[in-house]
Amino acid sequence: SYVLTQAPSVSLAPGQTAKITCGGNNIGSYSVHWYQQRPGQAPVLVVYDDSARPSGIPERFSGSNSGNTATLTISRVEAGDEADYYCQVRESSSDLWVFGGGTQLTVL
Amino acid sequence: QVHLQESGPRLVKPSGTLSLTCTLSGGSLSTYYWSWIRQSPGKGLEWIGYVYNSGTTNYNPSLKRRAAISVYTSKNQFSLRLTSLTAADTAVYYCARHGGGLGQFDSWGQGALVTVSS
Repeated sequence: SYVLTQAPSVSLAPGQTAKITCGGNNIGSYSVHWYQQRPGQAPVLVVYDDSARPSGIPERFSGSNSGNTATLTISRVEAGDEADYYCQVRESSSDLWVFGGGTQLTVL
Repeated sequence: QVHLQESGPRLVKPSGTLSLTCTLSGGSLSTYYWSWIRQSPGKGLEWIGYVYNSGTTNYNPSLKRRAAISVYTSKNQFSLRLTSLTAADTAVYYCARHGGGLGQFDSWGQGALVTVSS
């Protein structure tokens, strides 16, 4: 089955830019979705179809996808952005939904 | 505003059956796909399966033999049954809506922690 690889953690200071990556074989040919999950809460969709933002999600959240890597970029990171971030794709050939292992974002 | 709420027993015995219901308010089950997703303590997200309002289903192969998802359109509910439980099935179970056909999960329930223990 299709595997999505994420770094376990990333740490940075407030105001910096976070780049959270999601690796997969030819992931650029898939639509990638990103979720934010704060401790004890359900996931929230922050980017869909590689780079689209749902209503209510700040413009600081953006996404890109090419080749073997998709990236979620969070500009001007704030303490409230501390959370786990998961990438996800639908493997159309087998009609399966696959999640990456998640990246824990810590704002120092 | 779509709201999803999971309900059902939170403690189930090993070898038993998990039964959860997701109730939708603020919308209709029609024209959308609906999924169950779980998260073991301290772990990542695992998709279990989906149902369409027609009753069409599809499951993660790793759970296919044990999972069954049903839809009850008149009640605005869909359900999950998972049989032959072990401690490894202890998890928070979420119900979620697919946006845009079989697309992203754009609405989630708050989750229900189900513990498998004697």
